[in-house]
Amino acid sequence: EIVLTQSPDFQSVTPKEKVTITCRASQSIGSSLHWYQQKPDQSPKLLIKYASQSISGVPSRFSGSGSGTDFTLTINSLEAEDAAAYYCHQSSSLPQTFGQGTKVEIK
Amino acid sequence: QVQLQESGPGLVKPSETLSLTCTVSGGSVSSGSYYWSWIRQPPGKGLEWIGYIYYSGSTNYNPSLKSRVTISVDTSKNQFSLKLSSVTAADTAVYYCARGGGGGYFDLWGRGTLVTVSS
Repeated sequence: EIVLTQSPDFQSVTPKEKVTITCRASQSIGSSLHWYQQKPDQSPKLLIKYASQSISGVPSRFSGSGSGTDFTLTINSLEAEDAAAYYCHQSSSLPQTFGQGTKVEIK
Repeated sequence: QVQLQESGPGLVKPSETLSLTCTVSGGSVSSGSYYWSWIRQPPGKGLEWIGYIYYSGSTNYNPSLKSRVTISVDTSKNQFSLKLSSVTAADTAVYYCARGGGGGYFDLWGRGTLVTVSS
């Protein structure tokens, strides 16, 4: 099973600040890495697919990069509505797995 | 637009079988373009993929749950279902149905349903 490790677990950030969340895979997964946002009491929402591909309707301040074992989700100019938990997910091999999540709090 | 809705009992007794159904509206579960998955999230914790099904009935399950899980599809009702047997308190979670899983991302999720395992 591929283990995804996110860092940090928690981040407290002021509005307009840049946020960087990393996801490291225990073995190479190519670009089969996706990012989700989950706000309190809501279901997860797809933000980025295949490491860096944008999703229609998702604000352009969200971007992704990386390949192999190291990936990054960047939120440029954080807004109050971005307070949420963020999860990475690999679909390279079964079982599909998720990172443990990163909670972003707005100061 | 396509929507997913989970339904089923919110309380299940230990050792019994958890049964949930996901109804697909605005689209077809028989679409050959998609797989259909179940994912769960214990309270305050992260996400765990349970398994997926293709409209043909082909399935794949998480090995950690494989001995207890059955996912099925009913194309006539545009639904797919989850059965998890011999449940314990550790199976208490919000259960989500989602579109995707066949080697790709989950692009559509239901709202989730909380299932509590307790006597």
